[in-house]
Amino acid sequence: NAGVTQTPKFQVLKTGQSMTLQCAQDMNHNSMYWYRQDPGMGLRLIYYSASEGTTDKGEVPNGYNVSRLNKREFSLRLESAAPSQTSVYFCASSEVDQPQHFGDGTRLSIL
Amino acid sequence: EDQVTQSPEALRLQEGESSSLNCSYTVSGLRGLFWYRQDPGKGPEFLFTLYSAGEEKEKERLKATLTKKESFLHITAPKPEDSATYLCAVDSGGSNYKLTFGKGTLLTVNP
Repeated sequence: NAGVTQTPKFQVLKTGQSMTLQCAQDMNHNSMYWYRQDPGMGLRLIYYSASEGTTDKGEVPNGYNVSRLNKREFSLRLESAAPSQTSVYFCASSEVDQPQHFGDGTRLSIL
Repeated sequence: EDQVTQSPEALRLQEGESSSLNCSYTVSGLRGLFWYRQDPGKGPEFLFTLYSAGEEKEKERLKATLTKKESFLHITAPKPEDSATYLCAVDSGGSNYKLTFGKGTLLTVNP
């Protein structure tokens, strides 16, 4: 029973490189979310997808794009990575009026 | 704008020494308050949802309570395995179940 699976677990990039963070859930949830977590700050919502085919900006969307590939998968793309995007990224999923369930994160360093 | 403030930032207890963590919130209308536990290198793990003032929920040594302005997470006779960061989050409504998180309380329980 995997829940929410994120890949990769760790990644180091150089400034200006691009990459895609992958997230998949096996709980048949309609809603999926991307957060970032930085030291001394709470989890901040980057983008979310209320249902398959829809995506919306969260609190800190600049520099990111997302794709809801299907009901299971929600990817986050950094087109031109910047050092300020060094963070731990968490994907979550939920059903309406149910708690969000989180993956174990992708630790991203941008040099 | 929704705000969530958790205190203290860090708490160190001896095994068996009961205490409480605080989560103060300011929202336009509370739809739900959530407590999560986060272990190092892992994603947040759901503990409780509270919906209305006066509500209480318990799980093992943990009890969460809710008033109109704050929530408490009471830890009774803690054990070293209760050491973790405890996160509080609020959902202030809307159809997309977006959460606003506090910065967390780092709990250390010494044997």
